[in-house]
Amino acid sequence: EPEVTQTPSHQVTQMGQEVILRCVPISNHLYFYWYRQILGQKVEFLVSFYNNEISEKSEIFDDQFSVERPDGSNFTLKIRSTKLEDSAMYFCASSVGTSGNEQFFGPGTRLTVL
Amino acid sequence: LAKTTQPISMDSYEGQEVNITCSHNNIATNDYITWYQQFPSQGPRFIIQGYKTKVTNEVASLFIPADRKSSTLSLPRVSLSDTAVYYCLVGNAGGTSYGKLTFGQGTILTVHP
Repeated sequence: EPEVTQTPSHQVTQMGQEVILRCVPISNHLYFYWYRQILGQKVEFLVSFYNNEISEKSEIFDDQFSVERPDGSNFTLKIRSTKLEDSAMYFCASSVGTSGNEQFFGPGTRLTVL
Repeated sequence: LAKTTQPISMDSYEGQEVNITCSHNNIATNDYITWYQQFPSQGPRFIIQGYKTKVTNEVASLFIPADRKSSTLSLPRVSLSDTAVYYCLVGNAGGTSYGKLTFGQGTILTVHP
């Protein structure tokens, strides 16, 4: 069964550094998403991406964040100048469409900012 | 976006049927009801989606009354591996027109031996 993959599984960084989280969505999916989950809290939507541009973003997704689909398979989330409060699980998801289509989530990247 | 209310936690035993009810009093006409499951340190996983009446798949059943103001996820004969957080989401096919999913706190289901 096809699945969404994410790398790395765990990323440790120093405050102020930039990190890039990588995702490989399911190959025939057209919509891509990033969510995050701070430990013990609910899953929060960050951004959706379709046709090489952002479709929607949340208030969390400010100028510190950016997404890119650099090639036909990868989907990345860049976090610039990381802060302690950026520590969380970051989940990538993809779907065929948006109407009536389930989203498939990856296993997540645990980001720890020291 | 319709607000959902579900129990914070539930306990069950192996082999029992578990029913988790979600209230969504202000559900809109074009909203679907979707349930996701999340194990610790894993991403959410789609379980089932429905609009009205009853939907059944190999994992669960979803019961939606005629007024659609609530829904019940039914897990038959749970096992220890069903211990997880279960989320009820209400929106246009599980989210806005761009697919955004809005998760609440979910229901922590603990299955005991």
